[in-house]
Amino acid sequence: AQSVSQHNHHVILSEAASLELGCNYSYGGTVNLFWYVQYPGQHLQLLLKYFSGDPLVKGIKGFEAEFIKSKFSFNLRKPSVQWSDTAEYFCAVNASNDYKLSFGAGTTVTVRA
Amino acid sequence: DVKVTQSSRYLVKRTGEKVFLECVQDMDHENMFWYRQDPGLGLRLIYFSYDVKMKEKGDIPEGYSVSREKKERFSLILESASTNQTSMYLCASRPRGTSGQETQYFGPGTRLLVL
Repeated sequence: AQSVSQHNHHVILSEAASLELGCNYSYGGTVNLFWYVQYPGQHLQLLLKYFSGDPLVKGIKGFEAEFIKSKFSFNLRKPSVQWSDTAEYFCAVNASNDYKLSFGAGTTVTVRA
Repeated sequence: DVKVTQSSRYLVKRTGEKVFLECVQDMDHENMFWYRQDPGLGLRLIYFSYDVKMKEKGDIPEGYSVSREKKERFSLILESASTNQTSMYLCASRPRGTSGQETQYFGPGTRLLVL
């Protein structure tokens, strides 16, 4: 079974700062990778996903993530955050052809205006 | 837009009560999921249903059961609620697929407090 590690539990930033959230997984085979976001009081929703092709994936709201296979990593980035990016971010992984997603513990991001 | 709804946003129950959490999706998705979300633990899968009347145990099924009599509805049952089942419960659905790439769509969650 896969496991997912998110390095930061809580990140506090000022507006316009750059954001990078780490995600590492442990699984030796082909994987699908996801970042989900949960804004305060809202549903968990998909930010972006990767399963093949260009390892740099662009998602909604200016987010992107880079898959580095050799490092088993899928880090999320945003060059300039806004107050509205305050949310909890979850990395998730599944083995290719498997329905079962393994989620990381989540990173709470607080953006100060 | 996919819509996944859950019957309650907040529930307070007593130890030993039987608790029903209901989830309904309107996109004709074959697959439905129940997770619990706890601080520092992320989301953990309780049960999965891949079609009507079909179910599979997830990572933490103990103390829970599920029912899927209709395609759009997936119920989570706490047979005898205990305080360690106090948590946020999330329902999700996704279309049938074999690649594992399909997006899961989540409901708003039910925050359950067991006293």
